Amino acid sequence: GAVVSQHPSRVICKSGTSVKIECRSLDFQATTMFWYRQFPKQSLMLMATSNEGSKATYEQGVEKDKFLINHASLTLSTLTVTSAHPEDSSFYICSASPSGGASGYTFGSGTRLTVV
Amino acid sequence: AQSVTQPDIHITVSEGASLELRCNYSYGATPYLFWYVQSPGQGLQLLLKYFSGDTLVQGIKGFEAEFKRSQSSFNLRKPSVHWSDAAEYFCAVAANTNAGKSTFGDGTTLTVKP
Repeated sequence: GAVVSQHPSRVICKSGTSVKIECRSLDFQATTMFWYRQFPKQSLMLMATSNEGSKATYEQGVEKDKFLINHASLTLSTLTVTSAHPEDSSFYICSASPSGGASGYTFGSGTRLTVV
Repeated sequence: AQSVTQPDIHITVSEGASLELRCNYSYGATPYLFWYVQSPGQGLQLLLKYFSGDTLVQGIKGFEAEFKRSQSSFNLRKPSVHWSDAAEYFCAVAANTNAGKSTFGDGTTLTVKP
């Protein structure tokens, strides 16, 4: 149980376009999901907390207008990278927990975004 | 604020040898502690976690970790490494009030020699 699915796994887009990444909890409901970003050979950095039915909470230094997060249902959170630039190229990973964290968090398999 | 240090960027061990990956954390209260493994281009898989109770925790794939409050450490161990264990390992800490907001260490790359 506790499966988190991300889609797409890889995406290439042109500079200036927008890309949407989906994070789904397949077998549980998640009122909160988390979005992380990972640069090559580096650790994960928390970008934002996605809250079902309300605004996301962004970490310091993360542009909320650039990284739009929508958590419209208890099983789906989306991250939209708007007006993408090559420096946005990265590995984006989401996580969620079926029990508010008491049993630990499950991570999605990640999305590799390349902006050309 | 919480922080995690993984002192070893890269470790190489022979297959069948024992393994210990170090993790030191900084957090004012009792932390939630995690170890994750990541294969290239993949997401993270939880190996084990410590929330409270027994300080020696058992995880999947034969891994274990010991929480030592006095040393602010949560080192990961495995008695006999398999070639398939080669991957990136991340230690993470979270506040017990919000385990989802984890702070990750920089990771340790494990190479396994045949």
